[in-house]
Amino acid sequence: AAGVIQSPRHLIKEKRETATLKCYPIPRHDTVYWYQQGPGQDPQFLISFYEKMQSDKGSIPDRFSAQQFSDYHSELNMSSLELGDSALYFCASSHSRDRTSYEQYFGPGTRLTVT
Amino acid sequence: AQKITQTQPGMFVQEKEAVTLDCTYDTSDQSYGLFWYKQPSSGEMIFLIYQGSYDEQNATEGRYSLNFQKARKSTNLVISASQLGDSAMYFCAMREMNTGNQFYFGTGTSLTVIP
Repeated sequence: AAGVIQSPRHLIKEKRETATLKCYPIPRHDTVYWYQQGPGQDPQFLISFYEKMQSDKGSIPDRFSAQQFSDYHSELNMSSLELGDSALYFCASSHSRDRTSYEQYFGPGTRLTVT
Repeated sequence: AQKITQTQPGMFVQEKEAVTLDCTYDTSDQSYGLFWYKQPSSGEMIFLIYQGSYDEQNATEGRYSLNFQKARKSTNLVISASQLGDSAMYFCAMREMNTGNQFYFGTGTSLTVIP
């Protein structure tokens, strides 16, 4: 079965640069979530989109923005990168009509290293 | 207040023995889902098992089972017949139906299986 795809899998950037992370949800999933997991930390919710509209917002810095496109893929744009942005960024997807399990399906993550 | 609490930062278990990983949660929602994920050193989040708030039976998936005690707000993961490949971080997570769609994660438990 198709899973959530994230690209790139690894990314190295310098301070003050910008980065764009991409997420392709499971086909027919209409909701996308972004999480940030710092080294040795638990994943923290950043933002989510449902049907291309922002649905929930967590601890996303103002330097970050995200959107969901008409094909439901999502991009997380990160500007003025700081050393503390080094983390594993997960994308997850779900279908809003799937009320039976509430499950979110996680992608493999993008490991961002800021030097 | 922390919504998910995992009080065991690290656990050791002998191969082929059973181990219980603790998780308590805090919510005022009546409808919620509880999840356990395994995160090996490679970083991906692997879904293990799910328990819905209205489920009366404890969930089981192969060697994984949950000891769900709703009144105590706890959902402990039991891994039976531990294998060396079970060594990983284990995260407990919750999704509330009525207050947003994000996952709340605990701080994780690092499990090491000893041969």
